[in-house]
Order: sequence, then structure tokens, then C-alpha cells
Amino acid sequence: EAGVVQSPRYKIIEKKQPVAFWCNPISGHNTLYWYLQNLGQGPELLIRYENEEAVDDSQLPKDRFSAERLKGVDSTLKIQPAELGDSAVYLCASSLGRGTSTGRETQYFGPGTRLLVL
Amino acid sequence: QKEVEQDPGPLSVPEGAIVSLNCTYSNSAFQYFMWYRQYSRKGPELLMYTYSSGNKEDGRFTAQVDKSSKYISLFIRDSQPSDSATYLCAMTRGSNYKLTFGKGTLLTVNP
Repeated sequence: EAGVVQSPRYKIIEKKQPVAFWCNPISGHNTLYWYLQNLGQGPELLIRYENEEAVDDSQLPKDRFSAERLKGVDSTLKIQPAELGDSAVYLCASSLGRGTSTGRETQYFGPGTRLLVL
Repeated sequence: QKEVEQDPGPLSVPEGAIVSLNCTYSNSAFQYFMWYRQYSRKGPELLMYTYSSGNKEDGRFTAQVDKSSKYISLFIRDSQPSDSATYLCAMTRGSNYKLTFGKGTLLTVNP
């Protein structure tokens, strides 16, 4: 079974340019997460989707960041315009989602997109 | 104070050593506890998953959760150079909540 797929793996842009990241979760996983990981830190949640609904976007800087998951499967995270401080790894994760059986909350991560803003 | 505290290390041990990694947390609502392993330039990979207090063993790895002390541990027996990675503890209240991570501990196992 394929894991979480992300692209691109690496991206270098100049500040003030737009950038977009794409994620395809594990098949059958209803919940999708975007995390930001700075160097030497653990991942921090940006946004969580239950199917196509964004149920937790409280940590997403909405002035420059946006995300969508139109058909409840793939997702795109966009930054416009990018700032120097956005240089980080952007991780996508997925889980089975709501339910009563244990393990449904277990999140599986993709390889991440490493962004460098110059 | 952060919700989850983890000593970032780095930790360097000889091959075959027993490694102990720890996290403390402040939110008593956390019920699910996980350890992820992250190799350089890779995404976190789930290593161990524990619900509530107790021990769980999987091969050379043992995860312990002490909810009364708000303390979780990961033990690695007979450590191997391939265990060299960053180990992240993570926890959540349940399937409707985000994962809260520690900073990660960088482990190097020397041959």
C-alpha cells in the first residue's frame, strides 16, 4: 500500500513569490493534516481536514497561507507571498479519522516538502 | 511552559547500548502516546503507539506511559547504527484532535 505522497520534495523560491505544495493521503484516510517543521523542532499543526472540511485551521496564518481539499482526497497548501521565515519543511499526514476503534487517530506522514525562501 | 517537553540531546551511545528517551507533558487530557522516528530529510515514521498507561514492547523497542507522573519513555535495547535518527514523542486527546510533538531527541549510535 502506498504511503502519503507529497510533491515537490524540494523548492527554492525568492521572497514575495507564491508557492504551492501537494499531498495525496493514504487511500481510505478521511483525515488529512498539514504540519510545519522548523529545524530542530517537532512538527506543528497548520490545518486539519475531515474529508473536505477544514475542522481546525486555528494555527494557519490566513493572511498568506491557504489550503484546500476539494474532493476530500488530495490537498494543496499555498503560500502567497512567501517570506524568509517560511523556510521550513512542510509535512502532510493522514489518518483514518473519526470512529470508535483505537488506532484511528494514528497519523502517517509523507516525506515532506523542504522549502527555502531566499 | 510547552505542553510537551523533550530533551533535544544530542545523545551519542556505542552500538549495543540500551537507550532511554523521555518526554514529560502537562495536559492530563492526552490519552494516546506515540513515538516517531525521523531520519535526516525524511518524514516522521510511526514507531510505537500506546493508549493510556502501561508498557508496550515491539522487538527491541519498549514504550512506557505513566499518566500519574505525566511521563513517557522509549527504551531501545541492543542499539544499532541504523537506529541513529531523531526520535519524536507525540500525544493526542483522540481522533478528533491534533498531535502535539516534543522537539525530538537526536540519537547517534556509534559502531
